[in-house]
Amino acid sequence: DTAVSQTPKYLVTQMGNDKSIKCEQNLGHDTMYWYKQDSKKFLKIMFSYNNKELIINETVPNRFSPKSPDKAHLNLHINSLELGDSAVYFCASSQDFLQGNTGELFFGEGSRLTVL
Amino acid sequence: AQSVTQLDSQVPVFEEAPVELRCNYSSSVSVYLFWYVQYPNQGLQLLLKYLSGSTLVKGINGFEAEFNKSQTSFHLRKPSVHISDTAEYFCAVRNTNAGKSTFGDGTTLTVKP
Repeated sequence: DTAVSQTPKYLVTQMGNDKSIKCEQNLGHDTMYWYKQDSKKFLKIMFSYNNKELIINETVPNRFSPKSPDKAHLNLHINSLELGDSAVYFCASSQDFLQGNTGELFFGEGSRLTVL
Repeated sequence: AQSVTQLDSQVPVFEEAPVELRCNYSSSVSVYLFWYVQYPNQGLQLLLKYLSGSTLVKGINGFEAEFNKSQTSFHLRKPSVHISDTAEYFCAVRNTNAGKSTFGDGTTLTVKP
């Protein structure tokens, strides 16, 4: 069973389109994240949700909108895609930090977005 | 605020040679330290972590790391690498009280035959 799964794995689209990436975790974790990895492999956090509530929102354009219908799911919707949005997007989860856990992250396999 | 600096962006080594990947961090509070590995076309997975106690921590695949508080370092080592260790390695730090993990820029380890 895949612990953190995200779909689609690959996404190729035109500039200006709107697209979504879905993420699900079956680890029972309370916190989920979206990370962006650029072509140089740099990894930057975008958002974090704890029990469906947004707790981290880095300086990400408003075109990116995360949605968490329940604590096991965190989706990422991107409007008006731009060339610079091309990257690999990783979903991750961790157990609630406040419960004394260390915040170790469990990552999905990534979704490679290519904007043409 | 906290930051992580991985001192080498690329480390090429021959198979069966020892390797050290260097990581320095900066933080005004106590932190937990992590090393993650990313194999080609895969997500990141935890290699090892330092929480407290013994400064030498052992991880999967024969890797180990040593926490040095005075030098604010957490270098990763392996005495003998394999071709299969070729991957991207990320050092990360997290505040023990709360907050997000901050990642270094990664080190590409390439093991050559």
